[in-house]
Amino acid sequence: NAGVTQTPKFQVLKTGQSMTLQCAQDMNHNSMYWYRQDPGMGLRLIYYSASEGTTDKGEVPNGYNVSRLNKREFSLRLESAAPSQTSVYFCASSDPSGRGNEQFFGPGTRLTVL
Amino acid sequence: DQQVKQNSPSLSVQEGRISILNCDYTNSMFDYFLWYKKYPAEGPTFLISISSIKDKNEDGRFTVFLNKSAKHLSLHIVPSQPGDSAVYFCAARREERANSKLTFGKGITLSVRP
Repeated sequence: NAGVTQTPKFQVLKTGQSMTLQCAQDMNHNSMYWYRQDPGMGLRLIYYSASEGTTDKGEVPNGYNVSRLNKREFSLRLESAAPSQTSVYFCASSDPSGRGNEQFFGPGTRLTVL
Repeated sequence: DQQVKQNSPSLSVQEGRISILNCDYTNSMFDYFLWYKKYPAEGPTFLISISSIKDKNEDGRFTVFLNKSAKHLSLHIVPSQPGDSAVYFCAARREERANSKLTFGKGITLSVRP
C-alpha cells in the first residue's frame, strides 16, 4: 500500500503559468482533500471531495480548480499561478468506516511561483 | 477568525520529561478533536483523537485531555524522546465522521533535547 501519493514533489512556476498537481490514493477512501501549508498559518483547506463525483470549496479556494477524476484520483489545478500561491500543498483522504476517523496525508508538493 | 488556536509556536523539553502542548478553540460546535504530527518534508500523520463526550484519551506515551467548558485541550507526551521533535497540529471538526472538514491550528514546534 502506497497510501496517498502526490506528484510532483517540487515545482517552480513563473507568474501566469498553469499547472496541475496530481494526487492518488490506494486505500479505497471515499473522501479526498487539498490543503496548503504556509509558514505560521497551519493547514488550510482549499477544496474537498466528499465522494466520487462531488467537489466543494474549502477555506481558501480562490485561484484553484479541482477534478475528482475517479475514486482514486483528485487533482488540483492552478490556471494562472501567482506568487501568493507559493506554498506546500498536501492531499489527504479519509473514509468514515476507517479506523480512528482520521485523514491520511500525502508527502506534499512544494510549489514556488516567481 | 481563527477557530483553533495554538498560541505557543514552540516548546523545548529535556528528554525523559513531560511535554505539554496546548490548544484552544472558539467554535462550540466542534465535537471531535485530533492531533497530527509532522516531520520536515513529510505529510502530517495522525497521532491521537478525542470525542467531546470524553475528557481523556490515552495511547501509549500520548494522552489528550479535553476541557469542554474551557474550550481547551492538551496533548501530554510522557516520557519525551528526541524522535518526538516535530511540528504538532491540533485539529477540530463538527462531526465524528471522517469525511467532515477539519480546521487546523497553526502548529507547535516541539524540540526534545537529548
